[in-house]
Amino acid sequence: DAGVIQSPRHEVTEMGQEVTLRCKPISGHDYLFWYRQTMMRGLELLIYFNNNVPIDDSGMPEDRFSAKMPNASFSTLKIQPSEPRDSAVYFCASSFGLGGRSPLHFGNGTRLTVT
Amino acid sequence: EDQVTQSPEALRLQEGESSSLNCSYTVSGLRGLFWYRQDPGKGPEFLFTLYSAGEEKEKERLKATLTKKESFLHITAPKPEDSATYLCAVGGRDDKIIFGKGTRLHILP
Repeated sequence: DAGVIQSPRHEVTEMGQEVTLRCKPISGHDYLFWYRQTMMRGLELLIYFNNNVPIDDSGMPEDRFSAKMPNASFSTLKIQPSEPRDSAVYFCASSFGLGGRSPLHFGNGTRLTVT
Repeated sequence: EDQVTQSPEALRLQEGESSSLNCSYTVSGLRGLFWYRQDPGKGPEFLFTLYSAGEEKEKERLKATLTKKESFLHITAPKPEDSATYLCAVGGRDDKIIFGKGTRLHILP
């Protein structure tokens, strides 16, 4: 399997622009997680899905962030409008089986820079 | 609220000098404790899962142990290629997986 695939790898945008990050999970996995990583705060859980349904979005910083999973093989994280404080590395991860017991498989992340 | 604290934040060792990394946690109904390795510019790479106190897992120079309050990652006779950030995470009853901030390990040749 190709693993979790994220695109783009790098994104540089200006404040106020819309940003869309994409993720293709491992085929057959039923959980999908979005995390954000910064030096100060480490890996923060933003939202996770089970069988394409959002289960917990309490980590989404504010209404500017939204995430969708229209089918089992694709998810997006959108920021509109973007701000400089959104600069971070965004990771997508997937897993299979009982939540909380199965290890996550991560993509290589999208490094977002908002100027 | 579930919480994971890792120590030390950073650790420098000479090649061959064994040591341990600590992960303290509080979680509602532990389902699994995970160790990951992260190299610069890459996503975390899964190492181990531990499910209950007293359990141990080994892989090459790494050994992970678990108690009811903490986990240790023991590194025996490390090599420069073991240099990375090591992340600890816990999964609870709510299916969330929460990470600590990691320990940056640097092995000097």
